[in-house]
Amino acid sequence: NAGVMQNPRHLVRRRGQEARLRCSPMKGHSHVYWYRQLPEEGLKFMVYLQKENIIDESGMPKERFSAEFPKEGPSILRIQQVVRGDSAAYFCASSLAGTYEQFFGPGTRLTVL
Amino acid sequence: ILNVEQSPQSLHVQEGDSTNFTCSFPSSNFYALHWYRWETAKSPEALFVMTLNGDEKKKGRISATLNTKEGYSYLYIKGSQPEDSATYLCAFNNNNDMRFGAGTRLTVKP
Repeated sequence: NAGVMQNPRHLVRRRGQEARLRCSPMKGHSHVYWYRQLPEEGLKFMVYLQKENIIDESGMPKERFSAEFPKEGPSILRIQQVVRGDSAAYFCASSLAGTYEQFFGPGTRLTVL
Repeated sequence: ILNVEQSPQSLHVQEGDSTNFTCSFPSSNFYALHWYRWETAKSPEALFVMTLNGDEKKKGRISATLNTKEGYSYLYIKGSQPEDSATYLCAFNNNNDMRFGAGTRLTVKP
């Protein structure tokens, strides 16, 4: 059983471009969470999704950021018109329905030039 | 706003020492308390998920306790080894999201 997969592992974008980060949860997991780790800071919750539903996006910046978890395929975190302050490590985690334990992916390190 | 506090921020111990650190969290709307071990350049690895007041969990030399009424959890490491060096994160789970503390960075010197 493969763990949580994230790709790409490293992503470089210029200011104003779009960044798409993908997360494939563990097999059988229907809940996905996205976290961001800014330089010199801890993990911060961004959004919690179930298949085709956003459950809690209280940690998402109001503009330029969106997330989806379609019925088929990975969860996508999309950042439009990236700025230097978006440079961070973005982790996703997944869990089984009805459980609390989250399993983390290896993260995507986004660098905005 | 939920506040999860961890102390100390960093800790240096000698190999063989036993150590412990604290996680404080809001005592209302409690669902679960998580401990993670996070090594540099890797993803956080789950150590424990604790849901009941008075819970005690153990994994090898690492154990944790939970007090949901007063809002704290302790993580203990017995006989620290250099490979225990990592950041230990706790996270508080309410109904929908999870809030992390800033972590305790442990360095074990041989």
